Amino acid sequence: NAGVTQTPKFRVLKTGQSMTLLCAQDMNHEYMYWYRQDPGMGLRLIHYSVGEGTTAKGEVPDGYNVSRLKKQNFLLGLESAAPSQTSVYFCASSYPRQWPTDTQYFGPGTRLTVL
Amino acid sequence: QQQVKQSPQSLIVQKGGISIINCAYENTAFDYFPWYQQFPGKGPALLIAIRPDVSEKKEGRFTISFNKSAKQFSLHIMDSQPGDSATYFCAASLMRYSTLTFGKGTMLLVSP
Repeated sequence: NAGVTQTPKFRVLKTGQSMTLLCAQDMNHEYMYWYRQDPGMGLRLIHYSVGEGTTAKGEVPDGYNVSRLKKQNFLLGLESAAPSQTSVYFCASSYPRQWPTDTQYFGPGTRLTVL
Repeated sequence: QQQVKQSPQSLIVQKGGISIINCAYENTAFDYFPWYQQFPGKGPALLIAIRPDVSEKKEGRFTISFNKSAKQFSLHIMDSQPGDSATYFCAASLMRYSTLTFGKGTMLLVSP
């Protein structure tokens, strides 16, 4: 049981390049999330999905697109990378909201640098 | 608009001391308040959580105190240990939604 995995772990891009971050979970979770973490800013939600084939915008969606073609995978795309997108990106997954299992399980993160 | 305000940004506590981190929220409809712990180079992990129908929840050395009228909640770490050194995030959410709103985090250092 690997939990939540993210690919790649590190990436350096040049301004204007595109890339896709892959998140995979093996816990059969319905919900999946993408966050970015910047120093002093906490975790900010980019996009999320409440089921296969569905996506929704979070707090900071501009410049990113997502897809959830399979229940276990959630992809985050950067169409034209900008230096402001330099960040650590975390994927998370969870069951639908029900106490006491309201836990989001996070992956190890992807450190992205845009030059 | 920052819906969850966390303080302090950083905290240094001696081994065996009590670490206290505070959070304040604005949306009175929030009904779930978790704390996440993050070690360097790792993803955050759920530490403890509380619902607003109770004023306190304790799990081992970790306690959440909740003050609904003041719209504040705090994390207390008793007998702090060097292994507790990490970044702590408070968060809040609504039952009918699936998303969490995080505070900006507190970097805790427990000195030996």
